[in-house]
Amino acid sequence: AQKITQTQPGMFVQEKEAVTLDCTYDTSDQSYGLFWYKQPSSGEMIFLIYQGSYDEQNATEGRYSLNFQKARKSANLVISASQLGDSAMYFCAMRESLRGGKLIFGQGTELSVKP
Amino acid sequence: DAGVIQSPRHEVTEMGQEVTLRCKPISGHNSLFWYRQTMMRGLELLIYFNNNVPIDDSGMPEDRFSAKMPNASFSTLKIQPSEPRDSAVYFCASRRGVTDTQYFGPGTRLTVL
Repeated sequence: AQKITQTQPGMFVQEKEAVTLDCTYDTSDQSYGLFWYKQPSSGEMIFLIYQGSYDEQNATEGRYSLNFQKARKSANLVISASQLGDSAMYFCAMRESLRGGKLIFGQGTELSVKP
Repeated sequence: DAGVIQSPRHEVTEMGQEVTLRCKPISGHNSLFWYRQTMMRGLELLIYFNNNVPIDDSGMPEDRFSAKMPNASFSTLKIQPSEPRDSAVYFCASRRGVTDTQYFGPGTRLTVL
């Protein structure tokens, strides 16, 4: 069965430091996509970064990068130079191209940035 | 460009009442998704549409839930009759194509007393 696992319910990081949020996935598909979304306390879901299963290079978007290790089926999010505004829930999600492109979400990691 | 629009943002109702949630997807997007978020179950896909046609409604909890998409710019999710266990945040999301990113609306926080 397809599944996304985020093993860190909560994380703390000092402001200006880097932090890695873990995500592992399980799928038998060869073609899939991996996403990270941020959900601040206000509740909206904000798209951060995307990695395709055939992309050879790790995706980057500003301070966000995705550490994609296909053999290990992991897609960790790295946030560099953490800011207080990064405090939020972070969700990893997988899109399965062979099943209409539905997204399956992990349970989320709550990140707290300390001043 | 306007993002996904949902209304109402908050809804408080009593058990047994009908609830209708509304969504306007991003213009030009061909797929629309309804999700429910609760503490216990996380984010769950309820139903999604491609080109206004329901493709997968396997996540709809029961017959009390129904969703329609009469045109490319409007969708509704209806709960009739509502129950306290339906209390959750309901998100609508849209995307342009199968391999594109889903963009979420701000959500509707539903409380059923």
